[in-house]
Amino acid sequence: GENVEQHPSTLSVQEGDSAVIKCTYSDSASNYFPWYKQELGKRPQLIIDIRSNVGEKKDQRIAVTLNKTAKHFSLHITETQPEDSAVYFCAALPIRSQGNLIFGKGTKLSVKP
Amino acid sequence: ETGVTQTPRHLVMGMTNKKSLKCEQHLGHNAMYWYKQSAKKPLELMFVYSLEERVENNSVPSRFSPECPNSSHLFLHLHTLQPEDSALYLCASSQERLAGGYEQYFGPGTRLTVT
Repeated sequence: GENVEQHPSTLSVQEGDSAVIKCTYSDSASNYFPWYKQELGKRPQLIIDIRSNVGEKKDQRIAVTLNKTAKHFSLHITETQPEDSAVYFCAALPIRSQGNLIFGKGTKLSVKP
Repeated sequence: ETGVTQTPRHLVMGMTNKKSLKCEQHLGHNAMYWYKQSAKKPLELMFVYSLEERVENNSVPSRFSPECPNSSHLFLHLHTLQPEDSALYLCASSQERLAGGYEQYFGPGTRLTVT
């Protein structure tokens, strides 16, 4: 079945540095790729998403890139701050999933002040 | 609280108990989802309701029984659970599910512990 692999599982960076999280997906027909942030004890919340007709999208310090040929997409956070510390989940929407997202296992990001 | 709400937030139950989780969305969405979130595992989709009709059942054991009486409410009825069912149960909703690619709004979750 459809699968989303996410790496790394944990990531620790110094405040001000950049963080990159990568995901690969199995279904080449996937057309929507959201990223969710889940702070400790809180609900997952969408932070950015990208559709298959776009290669890159940016929102302030956060950007997502998509390489359809390689079937991978990445989250880039620049100038990291302690409040960026959370678990980040990528997801993909395979065409055949009838609207159901397939999630990666998550990356725990720690930003050290 | 607006958006998607869930009750209770925490639940401890024995293996012989029967309990229900409740989810309510105030966003006018037409699709609702139940996910299970365990440590070190991806979010596992359990059930999907679209326009009040169950459209997905991801091989979930029969001890979990969903109910969607209307487009704003979703329940998860629990009975004779196992300790491995202890997890965070998240409800989510979205609009235009079959059109694909719309944000799922999550509730705060119910932390379930089965003793």
